Amino acid sequence: AQSVTQPDIHITVSEGASLELRCNYSYGATPYLFWYVQSPGQGLQLLLKYFSGDTLVQGIKGFEAEFKRSQSSFNLRKPSVHWSDAAEYFCAVDNYGQNFVFGPGTRLSVLP
Amino acid sequence: GAGVSQSPRYKVAKRGQDVALRCDPISGHVSLFWYQQALGQGPEFLTYFQNEAQLDKSGLPSDRFFAERPEGSVSTLKIQRTQQEDSAVYLCASGRDRANSEAFFGQGTRLTVV
Repeated sequence: AQSVTQPDIHITVSEGASLELRCNYSYGATPYLFWYVQSPGQGLQLLLKYFSGDTLVQGIKGFEAEFKRSQSSFNLRKPSVHWSDAAEYFCAVDNYGQNFVFGPGTRLSVLP
Repeated sequence: GAGVSQSPRYKVAKRGQDVALRCDPISGHVSLFWYQQALGQGPEFLTYFQNEAQLDKSGLPSDRFFAERPEGSVSTLKIQRTQQEDSAVYLCASGRDRANSEAFFGQGTRLTVV
């Protein structure tokens, strides 16, 4: 069965520091991969997606992610974190075109 | 509207009560999904519609859960005889076409069963 793991439950970084959130997936074919962000009391907002082609994808709010097939990873990065980036981040894989399988999420806290 | 709209935003139900949660997808979107998000967890798939056809309901946890989208637009998720374990945020998402295109999520309905 398809699965997504996000090893870090909670990460704290200082404002202005760089950020990397880890995501590993288990999938039987070429995956379609997504990162979503969820602020408290809000729905999920798409940050970026990977379908094919360039393995480094750019998203909104200055985020990027790199697909590494050999490591089954799709880590999210941002060079300089802003206080407004504090939220919950979810990695997801498309499940053979039927739905999404989400990871458990990583909560990001940002110190001033 | 411009986005996916869900109502009510919050619902408190007494155990055993029936509830109905509404989702208004983005106009013209073919795909519609329901997800359940327990506290501190990622969303888990419940069911998927393509237009009015319910193509996948494998994620519905019991026969107390029922979803419909009779005209291929608005969808309702109904939970009968609610239990405490049904307490969660219920998220609706819609997409332009195939399930693996970008899905736009609503803000969710937080259901608390007391």
